[in-house]
Amino acid sequence: GENVEQHPSTLSVQEGDSAVIKCTYSDSASNYFPWYKQELGKRPQLIIDIRSNVGEKKDQRIAVTLNKTAKHFSLHITETQPEDSAVYFCAASEGGGSYIPTFGRGTSLIVHP
Amino acid sequence: KAGVTQTPRYLIKTRGQQVTLSCSPISGHRSVSWYQQTPGQGLQFLFEYFSETQRNKGNFPGRFSGRQFSNSRSEMNVSTLELGDSALYLCASSLQSTLGEKLFFGSGTQLSVL
Repeated sequence: GENVEQHPSTLSVQEGDSAVIKCTYSDSASNYFPWYKQELGKRPQLIIDIRSNVGEKKDQRIAVTLNKTAKHFSLHITETQPEDSAVYFCAASEGGGSYIPTFGRGTSLIVHP
Repeated sequence: KAGVTQTPRYLIKTRGQQVTLSCSPISGHRSVSWYQQTPGQGLQFLFEYFSETQRNKGNFPGRFSGRQFSNSRSEMNVSTLELGDSALYLCASSLQSTLGEKLFFGSGTQLSVL
């Protein structure tokens, strides 16, 4: 089955800095990579996703990049704000039978004002 | 449109007991999946139901079971509770659970086993 590794487990930045979270996956058949954000005490919510036929996708201050050859993908947040503080989960979905995403262990992002 | 609703929000049980958690998906969503969330372990997949049938299953012992009703509402049961079962249990719904489909999560049930 798929295995997703996510780093770092904790990331502390100053407001206005950039933050990068990296994930690697094991199954070369995976072709959909969503990112979910979970604020403290709240439910996870999808913030951005990317498919394997695309190398990069942007949405305002967040972007995701994908390197299929190396089997890794990253979330980039620019100009971080205190409201970006949350746990971020990356995930990978196999195309061949199970559409259920396998999640990484999460990164706790702390943005200091 | 109402979101995914999970009940109860909090539950305290003792070892050996059993528990049933409920999840009502967004209206029209036919797929419901369940996840266990513990600190540092991320979201671990339990199982997924679609049209009342278990379609996918994660690597959890048989003490964890579930079902889905004709209205797509789902229940998860854990028998013979162990201390390690203490966790936040999240359910998520989607229209059909196809590749690239957004999952909508509920707020979860926080289970504490004493």
